Amino acid sequence: DTAVSQTPKYLVTQMGNDKSIKCEQNLGHDTMYWYKQDSKKFLKIMFSYNNKELIINETVPNRFSPKSPDKAHLNLHINSLELGDSAVYFCASSQTGGRQETQYFGPGTRLLVL
Amino acid sequence: GENVEQHPSTLSVQEGDSAVIKCTYSDSASNYFPWYKQELGKRPQLIIDIRSNVGEKKDQRIAVTLNKTAKHFSLHITETQPEDSAVYFCAASGPIRNTGKLIFGQGTTLQVKP
Repeated sequence: DTAVSQTPKYLVTQMGNDKSIKCEQNLGHDTMYWYKQDSKKFLKIMFSYNNKELIINETVPNRFSPKSPDKAHLNLHINSLELGDSAVYFCASSQTGGRQETQYFGPGTRLLVL
Repeated sequence: GENVEQHPSTLSVQEGDSAVIKCTYSDSASNYFPWYKQELGKRPQLIIDIRSNVGEKKDQRIAVTLNKTAKHFSLHITETQPEDSAVYFCAASGPIRNTGKLIFGQGTTLQVKP
């Protein structure tokens, strides 16, 4: 069984559209994260949630809004998509969100904005 | 601010040779240093990690060393094999106030030639 899963795997859309990416983990972890990997492969954290509570909120445009309906799910909604939003978005999870915990990544969602 | 520098950006070795990737971090409060391997089109996967209470850790052909005074840590891969070819990322735990935050290096593309 996949530990951290994301849908969709690929997303191609037009500028200005609104889209959502879903993430689910079956590891029983309390904390989930969203990362963005740009075209240069740089990985940067965007958000983290611990048990449905927002913990980390990096300098990300307001067009990005995470939502955690329960601790096993963390979705990412993006409004008014821009060309620069094209990237691979990875979801991850860890046990409690502690500083020394392993983070497990999902397979990624490849977003292309045209 | 929080920063992790990783070198080299690309590394090409002959099968059987050793490979070394180095990282430096800026926040002296960082206490957790994972290394992730990302194959083309796949998710980052943890290969080894080290916590600040130890100076070295080994797992078969992979070893990591940590020098807290100098704020740098290194990944050593011995007897490299073609399947070791991938992008490797180092990371360091973020500020104490941002539990769970990982700051990633820029990545090293390792090519192992048969």
